[in-house]
Amino acid sequence: TQLLEQSPQFLSIQEGENLTVYCNSSSVFSSLQWYRQEPGEGPVLLVTVVTGGEVKKLKRLTFQFGDARKDSSLHITAAQPGDTGLYLCAGNNAGGTSYGKLTFGQGTILTVHP
Amino acid sequence: NAGVTQTPKFRVLKTGQSMTLLCAQDMNHEYMYWYRQDPGMGLRLIHYSVGEGTTAKGEVPDGYNVSRLKKQNFLLGLESAAPSQTSVYFCASSYSPIVEQFFGPGTRLTVL
Repeated sequence: TQLLEQSPQFLSIQEGENLTVYCNSSSVFSSLQWYRQEPGEGPVLLVTVVTGGEVKKLKRLTFQFGDARKDSSLHITAAQPGDTGLYLCAGNNAGGTSYGKLTFGQGTILTVHP
Repeated sequence: NAGVTQTPKFRVLKTGQSMTLLCAQDMNHEYMYWYRQDPGMGLRLIHYSVGEGTTAKGEVPDGYNVSRLKKQNFLLGLESAAPSQTSVYFCASSYSPIVEQFFGPGTRLTVL
């Protein structure tokens, strides 16, 4: 069974601060996705990283895939109250018995105070 | 396009009762998934389908059954509900197993 450990589980910060969320595994993933979920709604994809060492930027959000494709991070610069939500990482293994299935981390609940 | 829709949005059951959750997608996706979400545990895969007429077990399939008789619909059944099945259930679909999954708004189920 592939596991994804996400940390921290909770993050409460002030507007304007920077933060990083980590997603770690002992397994190699062919790709890794980051989703954001707001209360009462389903998760929505933010980004997919595929290549080891890949860095993708989405405005103030920076996503990195580890060189060995076992870990990933999400960095938010100058957080805003609108960034509040649940952030989920999900690993995808395109081969073997895990084909077609995502493995999700436990999630990070981010609260940004004005 | 409605995307992925789920019916019902809320439901309260008594232990031992049965119910069916309906998921519908209008994106012509081959792959459909049922997850449950519990506090501190992320999303856990219950069952999934790689095409019409096919189903497969996920990480936590016990106590649930599924059917995919039509490509656009994926049904999740609870034959005899238990309090441990109190959760928020999400359906998702995708056109390929390695790309974005589109999620429905969820069904909040409480089993008393």
